[in-house]
Amino acid sequence: ELKVEQNPLFLSMQEGKNYTIYCNYSTTSDRLYWYRQDPGKSLESLFVLLSNGAVKQEGRLMASLDTKARLSTLHITAAVHDLSATYFCAVDRADDKIIFGKGTRLHILP
Amino acid sequence: NAGVMQNPRHLVRRRGQEARLRCSPMKGHSHVYWYRQLPEEGLKFMVYLQKENIIDESGMPKERFSAEFPKEGPSILRIQQVVRGDSAAYFCASSPVRGAEAFFGQGTRLTVV
Repeated sequence: ELKVEQNPLFLSMQEGKNYTIYCNYSTTSDRLYWYRQDPGKSLESLFVLLSNGAVKQEGRLMASLDTKARLSTLHITAAVHDLSATYFCAVDRADDKIIFGKGTRLHILP
Repeated sequence: NAGVMQNPRHLVRRRGQEARLRCSPMKGHSHVYWYRQLPEEGLKFMVYLQKENIIDESGMPKERFSAEFPKEGPSILRIQQVVRGDSAAYFCASSPVRGAEAFFGQGTRLTVV
């Protein structure tokens, strides 16, 4: 059974600092997703990573994928308050549904 | 091309009533997934449907919950005799074929009072 683990689950950090959220998954997958969710809102798709070594960047966020280690990272550079949200990692296989991690609640202090 | 449409966005039901949540997939998409998100938690898979077929219902509670995706019209998630513990956000996703990337709707927030 495919399982997804994120850490940390809670993160409070100062503006301007860098930090990384980690996502481990238990079996091979075809796609890895990163989503952002603001309180009471829907999911915002940030990145979809398909292949080993894939790296995608959008603004202060950068995601990478190591399929051999079954690990993805979401790196935050010079954090700003607007990035405060919950970030979910999710994985799926071509013949199966998307499985989500528990999410990382990120709070950036102004 | 409109995205995945869910309605209503917010639904309030009294204990014991029925809740019907609707999901219209993106145009050309025939595969639908339902997820539930309890407060302060991640999304948990409930059911995967293709037109007129339930493919995987391993995440559905055994009682009171049912889902359908008819040949015509939206997918429906039905919760009978709702209880307070059913209060959650319910998200729907769709994909064009099995194994393709899925896209999520805005969700329906169910509150049981």
